[in-house]
Amino acid sequence: GAGVSQSPSNKVTEKGKDVELRCDPISGHTALYWYRQSLGQGLEFLIYFQGNSAPDKSGLPSDRFSAERTGGSVSTLTIQRTQQEDSAVYLCASSLEQRTEAFFGQGTRLTVV
Amino acid sequence: GNSVTQMEGPVTLSEEAFLTINCTYTATGYPSLFWYVQYPGEGLQLLLKATKADDKGSNKGFEATYRKETTSFHLEKGSVQVSDSAVYFCALSRGSNYKLTFGKGTLLTVNP
Repeated sequence: GAGVSQSPSNKVTEKGKDVELRCDPISGHTALYWYRQSLGQGLEFLIYFQGNSAPDKSGLPSDRFSAERTGGSVSTLTIQRTQQEDSAVYLCASSLEQRTEAFFGQGTRLTVV
Repeated sequence: GNSVTQMEGPVTLSEEAFLTINCTYTATGYPSLFWYVQYPGEGLQLLLKATKADDKGSNKGFEATYRKETTSFHLEKGSVQVSDSAVYFCALSRGSNYKLTFGKGTLLTVNP
C-alpha cells in the first residue's frame, strides 16, 4: 500500500489478556517508530527500529511491553497482561532513513476493560 | 531533557479569523521543529517543518518561524477555514534519528 498500515484499527480486550498490534511500514522505509497517544500523557515515544534492530527502547513503559521487527518490514508491538492504563491509541510511523520525514499510520485504538 | 510546550486549547474561531498557536521548546543544540496536524478520523500528518534558526516553514497557508532566541515555533494562518478544524501538535527532534517529542496538542474548531 501507499501508506503506513496498522491493524487492527480497534481492539477491545479484557484486563490481563495479551494483545498484539501490527504495523506495515511504507515499502523500503528502514526506520520505524511506535508512539502512544493517550488523554493524560499526550503523544509519547515508545521504541525506534532501524532495520530489525531497536537501538532506542527508552519509551517502553514497562517490561510488559515488547516489540519486534522482521525482514526490515512488519513490526509487532506486544502488550502482555494488559492493564486499564494501557488504553490508548498506538501509532506507528516509518521513514526512508533516520532523520527524514516520518509518515504515520492511523493508529490502533486499544481499550482494556 | 527535551520538551515542547504549546498553548492549551480548545481554540474556537470564526471562518476567516487569524490563527496563532504558540509553541516553545527546551532542547540542547539545534533541534528540528515541526507542526503536525490530525484531522478528525485521520492519522497524524506533517504540516510544516524548519530545521535551522530563522527558517520559515509553510504549507496550506500556515506558517511558522524557527526563533532560536525565544526558543519558539508559533503556528500562524491569516484566514482559517472550517476545513482547518483539527488537532495541531508542535514537535521537535534531536540526535541521530527522527524520534519526536510532542507537545500535548491544541484542538482548533473553526465555525462557519
